[in-house]
Amino acid sequence: EADIYQTPRYLVIGTGKKITLECSQTMGHDKMYWYQQDPGMELHLIHYSYGVNSTEKGDLSSESTVSRIRTEHFPLTLESARPSHTSQYLCASSESRGGSAFFGQGTRLTVV
Amino acid sequence: AQSVTQPDIHITVSEGASLELRCNYSYGATPYLFWYVQSPGQGLQLLLKYFSGDTLVQGIKGFEAEFKRSQSSFNLRKPSVHWSDAAEYFCAVGPHNYGQNFVFGPGTRLSVLP
Repeated sequence: EADIYQTPRYLVIGTGKKITLECSQTMGHDKMYWYQQDPGMELHLIHYSYGVNSTEKGDLSSESTVSRIRTEHFPLTLESARPSHTSQYLCASSESRGGSAFFGQGTRLTVV
Repeated sequence: AQSVTQPDIHITVSEGASLELRCNYSYGATPYLFWYVQSPGQGLQLLLKYFSGDTLVQGIKGFEAEFKRSQSSFNLRKPSVHWSDAAEYFCAVGPHNYGQNFVFGPGTRLSVLP
């Protein structure tokens, strides 16, 4: 069973606040990803990691940052939230090559 | 560069009717291919995958897909659609090499009429 968890599921926060979206996986996957997705729209890769102490920027420019201190944990941080950050954020993990991607349930972020 | 196209943005079928969702890819070698389904407000769930071997692959929820190298296609099919199949469907190409990432198509939204 694929286990990847995101918290919180829903978050409403005021402009200027700092937030951290959590993502954890129990599959021992080296590679982890963050995607941004507006409702009914395509997925945009914003960050990924090959393993511990590795972080890379994705195809879509994002003001968020990520860290990978432990294999299982890949949190995403917004230092100062803005209404333009309102979106759904999906975390995923996979083997480095040749495997399937497994997704968390997503965090729906609303910045007011 | 890898790319994935899903020509149909939105498809509507009646419950019990057959379904085919189209997916075309661009990739230099034999691709790793995937279909995912996403219900509103949820993450993506893996329906099926193709890595090699038999070009007709079976997945969960009664779905199947056929890899056709000559057409660079990986179409998803289901013989009889249920109302619960209404969702967004994403086709994807997976990474072969260390520096590659998944490439997802734009998605096809499926509506099911009672």
